[in-house]
Amino acid sequence: NAGVTQTPKFRVLKTGQSMTLLCAQDMNHEYMYWYRQDPGMGLRLIHYSVGEGTTAKGEVPDGYNVSRLKKQNFLLGLESAAPSQTSVYFCASRDRAGELFFGEGSRLTVL
Amino acid sequence: AQKVTQAQTEISVVEKEDVTLDCVYETRDTTYYLFWYKQPPSGELVFLIRRNSFDEQNEISGRYSWNFQKSTSSFNFTITASQVVDSAVYFCALIPWGGTSYGKLTFGQGTILTVHP
Repeated sequence: NAGVTQTPKFRVLKTGQSMTLLCAQDMNHEYMYWYRQDPGMGLRLIHYSVGEGTTAKGEVPDGYNVSRLKKQNFLLGLESAAPSQTSVYFCASRDRAGELFFGEGSRLTVL
Repeated sequence: AQKVTQAQTEISVVEKEDVTLDCVYETRDTTYYLFWYKQPPSGELVFLIRRNSFDEQNEISGRYSWNFQKSTSSFNFTITASQVVDSAVYFCALIPWGGTSYGKLTFGQGTILTVHP
């Protein structure tokens, strides 16, 4: 079983470029999350979704957009990348019992 | 608004010492889940424990134990007889189960634990 898969694993962007991170889960989970992890800041919630077609803002949503058109996919978009968005991004899905499953992370560098 | 605070940014101990990682949370919801995760140097997030707000029993799993006290909104994690392999970043997290923040999973800032030989 793949669990939670994030693509790409690494990406380097120039300021102003756009990109989309894809999170895919094969566990039929309703809940999905996007986090960013920065040194000394822990994991900060960007956006989350409690079901197909729904999204909600987390703690640090500015500069990001998300979509959950299909239950198994949760996309995170950067419309105009900025150096402050250099980070490691984690996707997670959660089952109804509350257990979380994380992807391996995507390292993004914005020059 | 919900919040998870891990006051200890870094802890350094010598192998075989016991160490306690503190976690204090804030939420307006009466029903919620609390978690601890471990992030070793390899970067993946490893699930350690889940506790719901109605279950205040302390739990022990090998060298790990957790103390959940609703009265002080704390969910502390103790490692007994620490080992070098315990060196990692440890995160405490909270999910409310209802209310306007339903499903919103919030992490603490993390505690970096270094265990020296």
